[in-house]
Amino acid sequence: SQQGEEDPQALSIQEGENATMNCSYKTSINNLQWYRQNSGRGLVHLILIRSNEREKHSGRLRVTLDTSKKSSSLLITASRAADTASYFCATATFGDKLIFGTGTRLQVFP
Amino acid sequence: KAGVTQTPRYLIKTRGQQVTLSCSPISGHRSVSWYQQTPGQGLQFLFEYFSETQRNKGNFPGRFSGRQFSNSRSEMNVSTLELGDSALYLCASSLVGAGAGGTDTQYFGPGTRLTVL
Repeated sequence: SQQGEEDPQALSIQEGENATMNCSYKTSINNLQWYRQNSGRGLVHLILIRSNEREKHSGRLRVTLDTSKKSSSLLITASRAADTASYFCATATFGDKLIFGTGTRLQVFP
Repeated sequence: KAGVTQTPRYLIKTRGQQVTLSCSPISGHRSVSWYQQTPGQGLQFLFEYFSETQRNKGNFPGRFSGRQFSNSRSEMNVSTLELGDSALYLCASSLVGAGAGGTDTQYFGPGTRLTVL
């Protein structure tokens, strides 16, 4: 079964707008990662946030983590058409497998 | 460095047959994980191999098996194929995998698209 549930399932925005997607998980974690998947291809790692961190930035990406609410959010600022993809959160505990969420499909229109 | 490679990229089989998929990890990576991705179930973890040993296993029937060789290359096998096995099978490699407590970045291959008729 999947650990993470992502919200929304699908998101459509215009280029230049910000995109926010959320991930909720069920059990305690060590870390949370976000991955991107272009249609039918492999996943690409975007960013990792540790359980003792609350916010992390990487370029146009901003990730927050609230362990008390067991949730994380990914913000993509100034979206581009090339950001069109599915985005997955993935959680892990020590010694255990990485478990992926259900994903958010992002469509950015030029 | 060359990325993760998976062969074949596309495969068509019929029910009852068996199939073997191959994954070559990034040089130096000792952990290889396999995932099944379908529109209905999303990304499901199959198993992880580290130094030729299966370290973690997902909730899949025994028809799904795998192995890892001394050079870290991995294969997964599905026997007695069913229609529901049609999926994108993804392989990911990392330096140490689950032993890093989730801090290890996984590098994914392009996947093998399996269609069972």
